[in-house]
Amino acid sequence: AQKITQTQPGMFVQEKEAVTLDCTYDTSDPSYGLFWYKQPSSGEMIFLIYQGSYDQQNATEGRYSLNFQKARKSANLVISASQLGDSAMYFCAMRPSNQAGTALIFGKGTTLSVSS
Amino acid sequence: GAVVSQHPSRVICKSGTSVKIECRSLDFQATTMFWYRQFPKQSLMLMATSNEGSKATYEQGVEKDKFLINHASLTLSTLTVTSAHPEDSSFYICSARDGLVPGSGANVLTFGAGSRLTVL
Repeated sequence: AQKITQTQPGMFVQEKEAVTLDCTYDTSDPSYGLFWYKQPSSGEMIFLIYQGSYDQQNATEGRYSLNFQKARKSANLVISASQLGDSAMYFCAMRPSNQAGTALIFGKGTTLSVSS
Repeated sequence: GAVVSQHPSRVICKSGTSVKIECRSLDFQATTMFWYRQFPKQSLMLMATSNEGSKATYEQGVEKDKFLINHASLTLSTLTVTSAHPEDSSFYICSARDGLVPGSGANVLTFGAGSRLTVL
């Protein structure tokens, strides 16, 4: 079965610290895509970072990096130097087969709270 | 970047009425759009896949007659909640395939801002 698991309902971090949001996935497809989205209280979904199953290197995008451990089926998001504006809900998602016409499967999300 | 416009952002209606939510791709053509539903502080659950010019594909457990999806053009998909009841109150969000992630060849889904439906 295709599944995304985020085990941290909430995470708390202070400004300027790094934080890791956990994500594990389950799929039998050899090709898949992994995504992280941020959802602030306004509700919009903001794309952060992508990792393909065949990508050799971990994805990075500014302060975001994805710690991809394929054998462990994990795709943790690392946010460096947290900012107050990072407070939001974060979703890990997977696209099975990584075909363009395939919908994303989302985890339950992790609420990140950044304090000053 | 690509923009998906969703309207209305908030709607309050009486029980028994129908509500239409529009999802438009503003600067790209979307042959496929996806409709998700999200309860407060919960995950996004896929409701249906909307394909231009053909019938939508609904996920198991989603009532086709309750949630009517029409994808009449390459830039517009609509979700109509028919005979809405309080249990249909939720956050509905659409998404469409955007361009490629630079250097990866992967397509990113761009989401609309969502529509919060409250049925009284």
